[in-house]
Amino acid sequence: SQTIHQWPATLVQPVGSPLSLECTVEGTSNPNLYWYRQAAGRGLQLLFYSVGIGQISSEVPQNLSASRPQDRQFILSSKKLLLSDSGFYLCASWGLAGAETQYFGPGTRLLVL
Amino acid sequence: QKEVEQDPGPLSVPEGAIVSLNCTYSNSAFQYFMWYRQYSRKGPELLMYTYSSGNKEDGRFTAQVDKSSKYISLFIRDSQPSDSATYLCAMSLTGNQFYFGTGTSLTVIP
Repeated sequence: SQTIHQWPATLVQPVGSPLSLECTVEGTSNPNLYWYRQAAGRGLQLLFYSVGIGQISSEVPQNLSASRPQDRQFILSSKKLLLSDSGFYLCASWGLAGAETQYFGPGTRLLVL
Repeated sequence: QKEVEQDPGPLSVPEGAIVSLNCTYSNSAFQYFMWYRQYSRKGPELLMYTYSSGNKEDGRFTAQVDKSSKYISLFIRDSQPSDSATYLCAMSLTGNQFYFGTGTSLTVIP
């Protein structure tokens, strides 16, 4: 079966510290991968998506970056966190078992203090 | 105009009621339509997936797509307290880029 893993589940970081969130996908190969941020009452904001290793598209200018070092690994990073980076970060995958839809990981809750 | 509009609620119903959740959209080219259920502090879980128009039923859940009106619905029959969650609609043209509603918060009261 197909599974998306994200870690950590919760993270509390001081302003100005670096960030690394990891997402891995099991059960498929060459999926499209996505990073979303979800804020209360504001839905899902697409941050980055990737169609393959080393290929990253950014949807909004921001303090964050993404990388895809392996086919089923997607990393969200920041060199210096801002208070506004707090939120719920979701990794998603498209292409699992050929279904034309997205599946989501469990999410990482980030609090920047 | 937003690509996808969804009433945020909150919606509160008694146990056993029929729930109707709706989304409208502006892009007539959308072909794939999805409903996700999201419990608090969890990732969205795919509930229903429909390609093009028509109805799809899965247990107590029915998804409807009306492309002529650019309107999709999710019906929940015999609602249960465990259905209390936020419901997100989503749409896609090609399956590569997805557009989400902001979610409707549902509470089913025992």
